[in-house]
Amino acid sequence: QKEVEQNSGPLSVPEGAIASLNCTYSDRGSQSFFWYRQYSGKSPELIMSIYSNGDKEDGRFTAQLNKASQYVSLLIRDSQPSDSATYLCAVNMGSSASKIIFGSGTRLSIRP
Amino acid sequence: DGGITQSPKYLFRKEGQNVTLSCEQNLNHDAMYWYRQDPGQGLRLIYYSQIVNDFQKGDIAEGYSVSREKKESFPLTVTSAQKNPTAFYLCASKELTVNNSPLHFGNGTRLTVT
Repeated sequence: QKEVEQNSGPLSVPEGAIASLNCTYSDRGSQSFFWYRQYSGKSPELIMSIYSNGDKEDGRFTAQLNKASQYVSLLIRDSQPSDSATYLCAVNMGSSASKIIFGSGTRLSIRP
Repeated sequence: DGGITQSPKYLFRKEGQNVTLSCEQNLNHDAMYWYRQDPGQGLRLIYYSQIVNDFQKGDIAEGYSVSREKKESFPLTVTSAQKNPTAFYLCASKELTVNNSPLHFGNGTRLTVT
């Protein structure tokens, strides 16, 4: 089992709709969870971080965390063409406070 | 401006040669990281360091070596033992004294070995 798993996509969503991205992790002791966006050929940029169970909203983005199910998700409302990118889920592993593992990323495409 | 500098942006080497990728940060972060990214893939952890003169292997450390002689610097050497070294290499840093702090990334070095 991979430490952090994501569907690779591509996920195609019409402009203005909600995009839903999912991530599961294997280490039940993990405490910190991050979503990064990466455009082709560029380095990742942080979108959201979440540490507590429940929802966290920031503008059009909502991160959801369920530690019992070892599941974290990212919702993007009112999707825009500029949201087309690869979205990476990152988890701060419980076994080491400094070890951060990424999923393989989900490629999102917003169609006009 | 504070940030992470990786150099060079593009690097070309012949097979069998060792090559060192530079990473410098002026964010005063304690921890530094090296990740490798292959086309269409996520980031895989090579090495990370929490403190000067100490570092830990990540999931794909074979064929790589690092040093952490200064807090600001964490160079990565890709040795000739690394079977498929062509990839995009990302350096990152993180503050350890702040709980749940995120990674900050450099702009990456694209290494091509022929």
